Amino acid sequence: QVQLVQSGAEVKKPGASVKVSCKASGYTFTSYGISWVRQAPGQGLEWMGWISAYNGNTNYAQKLQGRVTMTTDTSTSTAYMELRSLRSDDTAVYYCARGSGVISRYWGQGTLVTVSS
Amino acid sequence: EIVMTQSPATLSVSPGERATLSCRASQSVSSNLAWYQQKPGQAPRLLIYGASTRATGIPARFSGSGSGTEFTLTISSLQSEDFAVYYCQQYNNWPPATFGPGTKVDIK
Repeated sequence: QVQLVQSGAEVKKPGASVKVSCKASGYTFTSYGISWVRQAPGQGLEWMGWISAYNGNTNYAQKLQGRVTMTTDTSTSTAYMELRSLRSDDTAVYYCARGSGVISRYWGQGTLVTVSS
Repeated sequence: EIVMTQSPATLSVSPGERATLSCRASQSVSSNLAWYQQKPGQAPRLLIYGASTRATGIPARFSGSGSGTEFTLTISSLQSEDFAVYYCQQYNNWPPATFGPGTKVDIK
């Protein structure tokens, strides 16, 4: 069965960086892209970007351009999302998701990133 | 960027009743629209894609309709497990693949 297992919760100071991992299993990793979606406490879903696990092509939300980098490691079937220059409003649960294009059929369990001084 | 809006923000429904949720796009997204359900503390769950196609394993009481800028998610007879927040997402013109702000369906 398809599974996406994300790394554990992180606490970071403002200005720092965080890198969240998403290990995929149960399917051919390079056949699907991975989307990243975040959710601030008590708020809705925010689409952050998408990466092709086939060729590494990326598409990012404009508001995060320059601060976010999405990568994959096909040898370990793992996707990564790095967010730099963290601010308090980056505090959120970060989800990875697999689907067809950006339609997200399978989701990771979420990773809470807390930005606090 | 396409802006998605959803109404109402909260919908109070009794179990067994019908629920109708609306989603509107700021410009046409054709039929490239998905609906997700999210319960507290859980990841979202894909319900509908292509505006009207149920995802695998989704009960027939969930149905989607619409195209262009106006979309509807209907839950024909609400079950206790259906009380949740529902989000629409357009994927016609991305990035970004924008989500709506959500509709919370709670117990009347």
